[in-house]
Amino acid sequence: AQSVAQPEDQVNVAEGNPLTVKCTYSVSGNPYLFWYVQYPNRGLQFLLKYITGDNLVKGSYGFEAEFNKSQTSFHLKKPSALVSDSALYFCAVRAPYNTDKLIFGTGTRLQVFP
Amino acid sequence: GAVVSQHPSWVICKSGTSVKIECRSLDFQATTMFWYRQFPKQSLMLMATSNEGSKATYEQGVEKDKFLINHASLTLSTLTVTSAHPEDSSFYICSARQGANAGELFFGEGSRLTVL
Repeated sequence: AQSVAQPEDQVNVAEGNPLTVKCTYSVSGNPYLFWYVQYPNRGLQFLLKYITGDNLVKGSYGFEAEFNKSQTSFHLKKPSALVSDSALYFCAVRAPYNTDKLIFGTGTRLQVFP
Repeated sequence: GAVVSQHPSWVICKSGTSVKIECRSLDFQATTMFWYRQFPKQSLMLMATSNEGSKATYEQGVEKDKFLINHASLTLSTLTVTSAHPEDSSFYICSARQGANAGELFFGEGSRLTVL
């Protein structure tokens, strides 16, 4: 069965510094990987996805993620954090042979300090 | 991106009553919608897959008689929490797939249910 792990409950970073939110996955076959962001009392907003192609995926709001097959990781990154990036981030995986069901990680709260 | 709207955003009800939450795809047709439940400080748990014109597919452990799902049109799915109890209080989020592209799921803003 496919699964996603986000090992950090919270990540703290100073504004202007680079940020990384970690995600590792377990899935049979080639994975479809996603990152979503959630602001308080709101639904999820799509940031980016990896299905095939370049391992470095660029997404919304300056975020990017690097797919690493050997390490089964899909870490979310941003070169320079903004206070407004503070939110809850979810990594998700879907097996290519499956339906559109997404399996979400437990989420990582990003706190960017001014 | 595509827009998915949920209504109501907030609802407070008394124990024993039923509450209906609507999920609409505003600018696209969605043959499949998904209902998730999110507990405080936890991840989203898929409750059921809603298919237009057919019965919903429920995940293991989700009571289909408790959480009634109807997908009567290509733009509307409803979740009805029947005989609500305080433990049903949660944040409910729907999502809808646009087109045939893999993973193009769009999420609603969520509906917070509080059962007194």
